[in-house]
Formats: sequence, structure tokens, C-alpha cells
Amino acid sequence: EAGVVQSPRYKIIEKKQPVAFWCNPISGHNTLYWYRQNLGQGPELLIRYENEEAVDDSQLPKDRFSAERLKGVDSTLKIQPAELGDSAVYLCASSTRAKGEQYFGPGTRLTVT
Amino acid sequence: AQTVTQSQPEMSVQEAETVTLSCTYDTSESDYYLFWYKQPPSRQMILVIRQEAYKQQNATENRFSVNFQKAAKSFSLKISDSQLGDAAMYFCARTYNQGGKLIFGQGTELSVKP
Repeated sequence: EAGVVQSPRYKIIEKKQPVAFWCNPISGHNTLYWYRQNLGQGPELLIRYENEEAVDDSQLPKDRFSAERLKGVDSTLKIQPAELGDSAVYLCASSTRAKGEQYFGPGTRLTVT
Repeated sequence: AQTVTQSQPEMSVQEAETVTLSCTYDTSESDYYLFWYKQPPSRQMILVIRQEAYKQQNATENRFSVNFQKAAKSFSLKISDSQLGDAAMYFCARTYNQGGKLIFGQGTELSVKP
């Protein structure tokens, strides 16, 4: 089966510019996660979706970050405006409640200059 | 605090030898799940092995096995017959229920010497 797909793989933008990341989860996975991974650290959850509903977004900086998951499938994570500290790898993962383990995409490496 | 600690920032092993990566965690939950993920330079986070906290039997997946000590809140990963392809960053993680967020440790970078 196809894995989690993310695009783009790399993005370089200037600070104050907007940026968007896209994720397509594994078919049939109703739970979708966005994590941020800073250099040399483990990933940290930004937001979790159960189908279309955001059920855990406590770590999402809502003043500049937004996310959506239309029709409970694909998801988009947006930053506007980007700051230097947003430079990181943004990982998308998906899972089914039946199995629990999360499957990750290849990530998007964001560099804000 | 719901933390996961990996006390070994770097480890090295000779090809074909065995290496053990350490992980401890903190939780007030009785039902949770533990994972080891591998992240090579390509950044793709790959699930290595999974352990349910309610199971006493240690999980095994081919050359990978865990030593799960629930009372001590310890969850180490043993890699037997190490191969060059095992070189990567390894993350220990836990979740508080199926489908919940993962809390990751800081990672252990494993190098394999030929």
C-alpha cells in the first residue's frame, strides 16, 4: 500500500512570507497528525485530526499557524507569516485506531531566511 | 511530566555485533503503548517495534527486540547482528492510548562500523 505522501520535500522562504504543506495519509487511516521536528530533537505534535475534526491542537501556535483536513482525507498546514524560528522539519503521520501505531511521511524541511 | 528520556545521544556498534539502546519514561497512565522508531538521513520515520504496556511478553521483530520493565518504566531496544543499514537516529516514543499523540525522546544516533 502507498505510504503517507507529503509535499513539498523542501521549502526555502523569507521571513514574513506564507508557506503551506500538504499531506495525503494512508488510505483508510482516519487519524492524521502534524508534528514539528527541530534539529537534533524528537518530533512534537502540532495538531491531531480524527476524520475532519481537530481533536488536539493545544501545541499549535494559532496566531500564525492554521490547518485543515477537508473531507477527512488530505490535510494542509499553513504558516503566515513565517518566522526564523519556524525553520524545522514538518512531519505528517496517520494511523487507524485499531492498530495505534503511526506511519510517517518523508517530511518537509522548511528553511526561513 | 509525560517525558521520555534517552540518555545515550550517540552509540556505536561493530557490524554483526549486538547493541542496546536505553529509554526511560514517565507516566501516570496504566494503559499505554511504547514504540521505537528509526530515522535515517532521508528523514523518513520508520516504525521498528511496538509494545503494549499491558503485555508482559517482550516484543520481537526479527533482529530487533525490547526489554520492557514496566515497574522501572524502562524500554530498551536490542539490535542483534547489526548491519550497516541499521545506522540511523533511533527514537523511543510513547502514547497514552491508541491514536493519541506520540511523545518522543531526544533520540540516539547509532553508527555501525564495518
